[in-house]
Amino acid sequence: DGGITQSPKYLFRKEGQNVTLSCEQNLNHDAMYWYRQDPGQGLRLIYYSQIVNDFQKGDIAEGYSVSREKKESFPLTVTSAQKNPTAFYLCASSMVGAGLASGSYNEQFFGPGTRLTVL
Amino acid sequence: GESVGLHLPTLSVQEGDNSIINCAYSNSASDYFIWYKQESGKGPQFIIDIRSNMDKRQGQRVTVLLNKTVKHLSLQIAATQPGDSAVYFCAENIGWGEDTDKLIFGTGTRLQVFP
Repeated sequence: DGGITQSPKYLFRKEGQNVTLSCEQNLNHDAMYWYRQDPGQGLRLIYYSQIVNDFQKGDIAEGYSVSREKKESFPLTVTSAQKNPTAFYLCASSMVGAGLASGSYNEQFFGPGTRLTVL
Repeated sequence: GESVGLHLPTLSVQEGDNSIINCAYSNSASDYFIWYKQESGKGPQFIIDIRSNMDKRQGQRVTVLLNKTVKHLSLQIAATQPGDSAVYFCAENIGWGEDTDKLIFGTGTRLQVFP
């Protein structure tokens, strides 16, 4: 079964703790993304990575960190510096470069999400 | 339509009727647009897309219309079914043609289908 998975589905964190959210894909996609979703708002980009060992900040990277040691995995750490971490976190992946070659869109496939709550 | 805030705009339709969900986008340089469907507690799912050189595209029971003059996008769902109940997002793609596609999402519209 090809797809993108996130774990855990629900995560509770005490103030001051760092937590790491997992994202794994077996779609052989080069690009991976992390988004944050707050109630009544659209998705906002936290970090993205086009290739292993490389990643870029998105629009709201402060208080978050990522790593991309393997093509299949793009974990997100929510650090204690993130002032309002309670949100729904979504991971996505896509091909890279196909748009240039084929004129088609590199569709982003989303995982099921992790709901993080700070107690 | 879409708006910023804690409360999503909601569209309520009767089963079997047609639904029209609207979206205003902000970046005149956006060249690709996507509609996503998000069911409660799940990740968004791709529905349909349209390139900026088109003004209409049809899929199965769905049609997307693009009006670049007023930067407006709409999603039409024919014969709406209970399974269509979800939050619908439009997204602008400002990176199409480059290596990475960067999406800017709207705030979403909740579609409620009643019998």
